[in-house]
Amino acid sequence: EVQLVESGGGLVQPGGSLRLSCAASGFTFSNYWMSWVRQAPGKGLEWVANIKQDGREKYYVDSVKGRFTISRDNAKNSLYLQVNSLRAEDTAVYYCARGNDYETLDYWGQGTLVTVSS
Amino acid sequence: QSVLTQTPSASGTPGQRVTISCSGSSSNIGSNTVNWYQQFPGTAPKLLIYYNNQRPSGVPDRFSGSKSGTSASLAISGLQSEDEADYYCAAWDDSLTAGVFGGGTKLTVL
Repeated sequence: EVQLVESGGGLVQPGGSLRLSCAASGFTFSNYWMSWVRQAPGKGLEWVANIKQDGREKYYVDSVKGRFTISRDNAKNSLYLQVNSLRAEDTAVYYCARGNDYETLDYWGQGTLVTVSS
Repeated sequence: QSVLTQTPSASGTPGQRVTISCSGSSSNIGSNTVNWYQQFPGTAPKLLIYYNNQRPSGVPDRFSGSKSGTSASLAISGLQSEDEADYYCAAWDDSLTAGVFGGGTKLTVL
């Protein structure tokens, strides 16, 4: 059974940082693109970033470029999102998702909440 | 606002057929496939339709997708109360080199 479990969210002050993690199981992690998608409270889905199987290709939404970094450790079956210089508008539930390809998200985790507030 | 445009709400009665539309541009829907996701309140999204019109295993054939030019549609036939959810279209955007979602459509079953 495919499982994706996010962790690392929490309350952080504006300008602060967090490292989100996603532990994957039930599939060969190194064979899949992986993505982060976020959802602000009461709002729609926003694609954040994705990373290719070998980690050599990464793409980001413009609003997080230079502040967020996606990475993966295939030996640990884990996906990460380093989020720096956080702003109030980054407040959201962050979902980890497996990519059937670079764009098709076929399995999702339950999400981790990041709240940016002073 | 979202790169892909969806009407914010839709409704229908049980048994009815409902269509949800998604409008984009040549850099996203016009040149890439469209996926649709279903989300119930407080839960993670679920892939409903991929590659414009393919259903993952377990998705009822009441759900179907189509694409024409820079627009896509999700159709739900034989509407059921349990279909009440938010529906999002998504595609890759070649100009942005990023994924893009529609703003979502809240489906109400009357």
